[in-house]
Amino acid sequence: EVQLVESGGGLVQPGRSLRLSCAASGFTFDDYAMHWVRQAPGKGLEWVSGISWNSGSIGYADSVKGRFTISRDNAKNSLYLQMNSLRAEDTALYYCAKDAEDAVAGRFDYWGQGTLVTVSS
Amino acid sequence: EIVLTQSPATLSLSPGERATLSCRASQSVSSYLAWYQQKPGQAPRLLIYDASNRATGIPARFSGSGSGTDFTLTISSLEPEDFAVYYCQQRSNWPRYTFGQGTKLEIK
Repeated sequence: EVQLVESGGGLVQPGRSLRLSCAASGFTFDDYAMHWVRQAPGKGLEWVSGISWNSGSIGYADSVKGRFTISRDNAKNSLYLQMNSLRAEDTALYYCAKDAEDAVAGRFDYWGQGTLVTVSS
Repeated sequence: EIVLTQSPATLSLSPGERATLSCRASQSVSSYLAWYQQKPGQAPRLLIYDASNRATGIPARFSGSGSGTDFTLTISSLEPEDFAVYYCQQRSNWPRYTFGQGTKLEIK
């Protein structure tokens, strides 16, 4: 059974940093691209960032480019999102999502339950 | 950025009825469109990918159609568990994947 478990969320002041993690199990992690997708409270879904199986292809939404960094450790079956210079508008539930392919295909076939990030002073 | 516009915003139907949800793209996304279902307090679930392919384990009452800029998700006969929010998503434009704003399917 595919499992994705996010962690690292919390309350943080504007301008500070936070690192999210996603622990994957139930599939061969280094066979698939991975993504972060977020959902602000009561709002819709927004793709944040994606990374191919070997980290050779990485992309970001314009809203986070230059502030967020996605990475993965295939030996630890883990995905990360380093979030710097956080803003109030980054407040959201952050989901880790598995891609259906090794390259970044943008087809999110499994999702975690999310970790909540609240940016407020 | 490719903008996806879903309609209607809210759809009120009864169990057993047919539901038709629409997603329109601001420019062609070929067939690179997916549909997701999200229930309150849960993560989204992939229903349909590449416009018309059902994901693993998705019941046959869910079907998708369309290409280019106009897409439809059809639920042939609504079950009580189908009432949820539905999102479309395009993967035509890397790295600028986008979602529609969602259609809430509610019980009439």
